[in-house]
Amino acid sequence: DAKTTQPPSMDCAEGRAANLPCNHSTISGNEYVYWYRQIHSQGPQYIIHGLKNNETNEMASLIITEDRKSSTLILPHATLRDTAVYYCIVRVDRGSTLGRLYFGRGTQLTVWP
Amino acid sequence: DVKVTQSSRYLVKRTGEKVFLECVQDMDHENMFWYRQDPGLGLRLIYFSYDVKMKEKGDIPEGYSVSREKKERFSLILESASTNQTSMYLCASSPPGILRINTEAFFGQGTRLTVV
Repeated sequence: DAKTTQPPSMDCAEGRAANLPCNHSTISGNEYVYWYRQIHSQGPQYIIHGLKNNETNEMASLIITEDRKSSTLILPHATLRDTAVYYCIVRVDRGSTLGRLYFGRGTQLTVWP
Repeated sequence: DVKVTQSSRYLVKRTGEKVFLECVQDMDHENMFWYRQDPGLGLRLIYFSYDVKMKEKGDIPEGYSVSREKKERFSLILESASTNQTSMYLCASSPPGILRINTEAFFGQGTRLTVV
């Protein structure tokens, strides 16, 4: 049960904003949304996470809808090095100790010159 | 610089062999995870551990076992390797879920295992 749905692929011109959508319609009130990316032949890398407020860091912005059923990851100025598979993940915590990540199949983002 | 280290990048084993995949983290994290990644299937959780000597099954534990004798080390064991266990194996660690604000998971580089 992946808990998230993403388009299998997207592309974006270098320098433009890349907007990656994700549906998580069955998310529960205390489950976080995480985004990771995986560049070919490397392990996944953390990008950003949020619960219900929009979040921004040096890598990206995360916009979560008010009903929390979907979110969008925004890379404001995509570069060729942003070409990767992007995973939208729901994190489930049991009690106070565990952070299990449910990975979907991800979106292959290709940034072209 | 935080680090999750997997003992091998590439491994080739024969059918029926007992295979050990080792993972070590230097961040004093309580949680550790083993995933396998296959084309078109994304990452699937095999086993995870939230403390020394504690383990829980993930989504696809059949054919695997794990060992966590020390906090920094989490081993994945293929008791009798089969060709359908040819895959990329990824180890990850993270701090506890609710107790800290930033609870991202850190991944190793992966071990590409081929069973022939």
